[in-house]
Amino acid sequence: LAKTTQPISMDSYEGQEVNITCSHNNIATNDYITWYQQFPSQGPRFIIQGYKTKVTNEVASLFIPADRKSSTLSLPRVSLSDTAVYYCLVGDGGFQKLVFGTGTRLLVSP
Amino acid sequence: GAGVSQSPSNKVTEKGKDVELRCDPISGHTALYWYRQRLGQGLEFLIYFQGNSAPDKSGLPSDRFSAERTGESVSTLTIQRTQQEDSAVYLCASQYGGSGGLTDTQYFGPGTRLTVL
Repeated sequence: LAKTTQPISMDSYEGQEVNITCSHNNIATNDYITWYQQFPSQGPRFIIQGYKTKVTNEVASLFIPADRKSSTLSLPRVSLSDTAVYYCLVGDGGFQKLVFGTGTRLLVSP
Repeated sequence: GAGVSQSPSNKVTEKGKDVELRCDPISGHTALYWYRQRLGQGLEFLIYFQGNSAPDKSGLPSDRFSAERTGESVSTLTIQRTQQEDSAVYLCASQYGGSGGLTDTQYFGPGTRLTVL
């Protein structure tokens, strides 16, 4: 399984753009990159997934360079409600076990 | 059902007692995970079931922990002789599996908050 490395924590202010980078140096050809968000007292929930280049949805953007050894989750104009833990996972789905790491704790302040 | 459900939502027990936690996955999901999350910490993988294959128990912290799943349905996590360090939220997630090229989303239940006095 591809191992992922993320910063333990990040701080930001309302209205700023936040970029959280995940390293996955031994990503396999078939692997996709998926990010989850977890609010306090809730289970994680899916926010975005990509394979290469850029993916955007109503919540976030995901930037993946050509070598795919890292990915960056971008949250535009964060608000206080974006305070959460963000997890990066790498895998090809199917019957491969996917395990969460420690994640990045984002704190958004007024 | 519409989502993953877990019961009980809260469990308070005395040290040394056994507890059983239940997870009802989304119908049709072949994979099921159990995680433990201590207060303010990340998710700690416990065990993984995939279809009828032998479960991956590599995350179970001790032999006091065990889990069962019958086919692709309900799973139970049992903790014997509970200790105070077992206090945590126990999360269950189910996953479709077999998308072939996509990472299937894990859908989480609300968790069971276990408090060992």
